Amino acid sequence: EPEVTQTPSHQVTQMGQEVILRCVPISNHLYFYWYRQILGQKVEFLVSFYNNEISEKSEIFDDQFSVERPDGSNFTLKIRSTKLEDSAMYFCASSEAAGSTFYEQYFGPGTRLTVT
Amino acid sequence: DAKTTQPTSMDCAEGRAANLPCNHSTISGNEYVYWYRQIHSQGPQYIIHGLKNNETNEMASLIITEDRKSSTLILPHATLRDTAVYYCIVWGGQAGTALIFGKGTTLSVSS
Repeated sequence: EPEVTQTPSHQVTQMGQEVILRCVPISNHLYFYWYRQILGQKVEFLVSFYNNEISEKSEIFDDQFSVERPDGSNFTLKIRSTKLEDSAMYFCASSEAAGSTFYEQYFGPGTRLTVT
Repeated sequence: DAKTTQPTSMDCAEGRAANLPCNHSTISGNEYVYWYRQIHSQGPQYIIHGLKNNETNEMASLIITEDRKSSTLILPHATLRDTAVYYCIVWGGQAGTALIFGKGTTLSVSS
């Protein structure tokens, strides 16, 4: 069964450093998403992406965050200057494009980001 | 904010049916009820969704009341591996739009 994959599984970085989280969505999916979950809290939407553009973003997704589809398979989330409060699990998800009946989102296993 | 209300926790004996309720009294006519679960901080896993008819798949059944103000997710024969946080989400279903997660119900299945 096709699945979303994410690398690395765990990333430790120092405050102020840039990090890039990587995701490989399901191959025939064209909508991509990032969510995050701070330890013990709810899963929160960050951003959705389609056709090389941001479709929707939340208040959390400020100028410190950016997303990119650098090639035909990867989808990345960049945090330019990490803060302690960016420590969280980051989940990538993907869903099918227009023409499908439903657009349920399929999630990857997550990257645990620890900012020290 | 999430448009759903779920109990914080529930217990179920292994092999028995687990019935997880959800209230969504402000659901709009074009919004679906989606269920996801999250096993121990793994990525949320899609379970099932419905609009107004009851639905069944290999994982679960979804019963939606006629007025659509509440629903119940049924795991017919719960196993230890079904221990997870279950999220009921009201969602329009459009591609590219956000899923809004609440706190969900922590289901504990014991032997």
